[in-house]
Amino acid sequence: EIVLTQSPGTLSLSPGERATLSCRASQSVSSSYLAWYQQKPGQAPRLLIYDASNRATGIPDRFSGSGSGTDFTLIISRLEPEDFAVYYCQEYGTSPTLTFGGGTKVEIK
Amino acid sequence: QVQLQESGPGLVKPSETLSLTCSVSGGSLSSYYWSWIRQPPGKGLEWIGYIGHSGSTNYKSSLKSQVTMSVDRSKNQFSLRLTSVTAADTAVYYCARMYSSFLDHWGQGTLVTVSS
Repeated sequence: EIVLTQSPGTLSLSPGERATLSCRASQSVSSSYLAWYQQKPGQAPRLLIYDASNRATGIPDRFSGSGSGTDFTLIISRLEPEDFAVYYCQEYGTSPTLTFGGGTKVEIK
Repeated sequence: QVQLQESGPGLVKPSETLSLTCSVSGGSLSSYYWSWIRQPPGKGLEWIGYIGHSGSTNYKSSLKSQVTMSVDRSKNQFSLRLTSVTAADTAVYYCARMYSSFLDHWGQGTLVTVSS
C-alpha cells in the first residue's frame, strides 16, 4: 500500500505570496493518478487537480500541479484570501485503491 | 449538476452497526464508481471503499472485515454498513463520485458519533 507524505504540515504565508506544497509517494504512482483537493473548515473537500496536472472545472489558473513517479507538487501562484485552507493529495493505486496524504494547512501569516 | 446527500443516524452505540445512505440526484449511478470517505474530528481523510453501479466493490484492506457497501439503482442510492463500531469510528462520513482515478463530486458529509 502506497503512503503519501505531504510537506510541510503547515505553511504560513501572506496573501499574494506563492505557495508550494509537496506530496511524496512511497512508491511510484501509476500513470500519474494523483489528485489534489482543497478543504475549508466545515466543508467537504473540493477537487482542484487530477492526473497530476489537470485543473478541475472552475478551478482558477493560479492553481497548478506537476510531478510524476514519486514526487508531486501543487503551486498556488498568488494566494487569495479564499485559498487559506487544508490541501490533500490522493493517489489511485494498482489494487485499485485510493490513498490520501496527511494534508498541508495553508494559514495566514 | 450531480449532487450527493448522506443520510443516517448521527449517533451509534459501541459494538453496533453504522448504516448510511447516499442519495444521488442530477445523474445516474451508471458508468461510475461511488466511494465512501471518512474524516475523524480534526484529522485527515480516510478512504473506506467504493462500489460500482453493478455492485462490484473494493474496500480498504484494514476495514474489509467491517465494511459492506450496496447499491439501489431504483432509488439512485448507495449505502455503507460498518459493523462492530468503536469510538475510533467517530467521524464525518462523506460519499463521493469516482471519475476515473479521482473524486469529482462530494456530499456535504454527515457526522456519526459512536457513544453509549
